[in-house]
This record gives sequence, C-alpha cells and structure tokens, in this order.
Amino acid sequence: QSALTQPPSASGSPGQSVTISCTGTSSDVGGYNYVSWYQQHPGKAPKVMIYEISKRPSGVPDRFSGSKSGNTASLTVSGLQAEDEADYYCSSYAGSNLYVFGSGTKVTVL
Amino acid sequence: QVTLRESGPALVKPTQTLTLTCTFSGFSLSTSGMCVSWIRQPPGKALEWLARIDWDDDKYYSTSLKTRLTISKDTSKNQVVLTMTNMDPVDTATYYCARIEYGLYYFHNWGQGTLVTVSS
Repeated sequence: QSALTQPPSASGSPGQSVTISCTGTSSDVGGYNYVSWYQQHPGKAPKVMIYEISKRPSGVPDRFSGSKSGNTASLTVSGLQAEDEADYYCSSYAGSNLYVFGSGTKVTVL
Repeated sequence: QVTLRESGPALVKPTQTLTLTCTFSGFSLSTSGMCVSWIRQPPGKALEWLARIDWDDDKYYSTSLKTRLTISKDTSKNQVVLTMTNMDPVDTATYYCARIEYGLYYFHNWGQGTLVTVSS
C-alpha cells in the first residue's frame, strides 16, 4: 500500500477550473472503480466529495466532478469559489479490504 | 443523523500502548453492511488508513502496521476501540474514525478527530 501520488498544490482564480490528478497502480486506482475524493479545510475532518470515480454524494455541488483513465484519477473543480480553498485527498480501494490515500493537494483560490 | 466522536489520551509516552475509542450514533454495527475504519493524519501530512471492523466482526489492518494494531467493537455501547502498541514519536497524529458501508469503499461520515502526541 504505497500512497497515491498527487501534485502538492494547484490554484486558480475565482470562476476558473482546477484539475487535480491522483496516480496509483494497477493494484489500486487502475484495478477498481472505487476512487473517492475528500475535501479538508484547516483543522476540520475530511468530507467526501466524490465516490466511485465520479458520483457525488447528496449536497455536493455539481461543480465537483471526477474521472479516471488507466492508473490516474482526476478531480475537477469548476467555477472556483473562495470556499473551495482546501486540501484535497484521493483514496482508492486496493483489494483485500485495504485502502490507500493520496499525498494530498492544496488548492488555492487566487 | 450519523455522528462519530473519537476519545483517548492526548499524550502518550514512547513504547506505551495507545487506546482510542470511537463512539457513534445514527447507525448500528449490528446492522448488516455497516463498518467502521480508523484513519490517521500526522500534523501537516497526508491521511493514512489504519484498520476496519465490520458488522460481522471481520477485521482488516494496514499491511505496514498490522503487527501493532487491534480493532474491536462493543455493539451494545455503539463503540469501536483501536489499540496501537509500542508508540513512537512518528505516530503523533490526529486519529479519525469513519463509517463505511460494505461494498461502497468510501468513508461516508467522519469524526472530528483526536490529536495524539507521543513524547517523553
């Protein structure tokens, strides 16, 4: 279970879009359609934004979308808003009832 | 409404055993498909999955930490307990518990976390 690779930072101006990548292997991201994304504001618990690659839980704005190609999953935040500034983590099922998280990406709204 | 709350010591000494309790409401671990996981986050660092316990008492552990971890549940008290032996300063982290539904593979609801510092 090695951590999934995310860029340390990403940024965009209000109204713009930002895309975060999450790269794993064929044993996790590439092997299952069970990638999820979590938003974490400073001092707060993570909150699920996307599950099963592209599904949004009730209450999550449709500005948040997810996709996957091969061993890399992506989260796109469209129409950036100030409240989207946070850390984002991907997670993947890794088989045998094991899970792995990404290294995290800090999103800054310029 | 699902809520989870972690509790335990804020400070432990190196080599000691850490015991954390997750007390939850809004669901029952006797219900088929319900699971609870523990996840930790060192200060300024990434999340790390630790363990999961299922409604049927199946247990799963992080490959790298499984020799040090034990997860258990008390269904009557709506609690899940995690013990971690031989604590080290690198284990300093905020420890979270989270609810999972079997077969869905994502962490639906999280507690607010509890910070554990390992220091002599």
